[in-house]
Amino acid sequence: RKEVEQDPGPFNVPEGATVAFNCTYSNSASQSFFWYRQDCRKEPKLLMSVYSSGNEDGRFTAQLNRASQYISLLIRDSKLSDSATYLCVVNAPDRGSTLGRLYFGRGTQLTVWP
Amino acid sequence: DTAVSQTPKYLVTQMGNDKSIKCEQNLGHDTMYWYKQDSKKFLKIMFSYNNKELIINETVPNRFSPKSPDKAHLNLHINFLELGDSAVYFCASSQPGLAGGRTDTQYFGPGTRLTVL
Repeated sequence: RKEVEQDPGPFNVPEGATVAFNCTYSNSASQSFFWYRQDCRKEPKLLMSVYSSGNEDGRFTAQLNRASQYISLLIRDSKLSDSATYLCVVNAPDRGSTLGRLYFGRGTQLTVWP
Repeated sequence: DTAVSQTPKYLVTQMGNDKSIKCEQNLGHDTMYWYKQDSKKFLKIMFSYNNKELIINETVPNRFSPKSPDKAHLNLHINFLELGDSAVYFCASSQPGLAGGRTDTQYFGPGTRLTVL
């Protein structure tokens, strides 16, 4: 079973639409959660961290449900520039180490069309 | 100033050759990583070094050998390249968090696109 599971999409939405991505993780000891964005042929970059209380950054809202081990990302008023792959990322203890490590989901592809 | 840099950006080579990819970070981070992203876009960790010491070594063929001369550099040497090694290789760095604690942002290099013919 993969540590982080995401619907790979693709999601194709018109400008102005609201779109939601979901992700589940398997390790209940996971402590930190993130959404990264990866543009075509570029490196992944941090979009936002995800907190239990939920957090918002402009048009982006991230939610965490620890009981269900579920993370979500909501994008409102989609822009053409939002087209990218969105990676769900979880920090969990690494076996045999005191250091956490990041586990990446496969990513959900989003295309926003005019 | 580039935070995490990799060279080369593109690498095209024949099967059986040996090649190296270099990575440098100027962020003062203690931890560096190598990831492989294959054609299906799945990002998999290969190695992680913390202060020049290997801390994560996933199931990677021993043809892949990382080397960290200092905590700002993590190079990847690949022997006897195979067709299946074709992928994008990303270097990254971060400040580590304790297990169960918050980990600072992981910063990625621009990637090295390796094509084995």
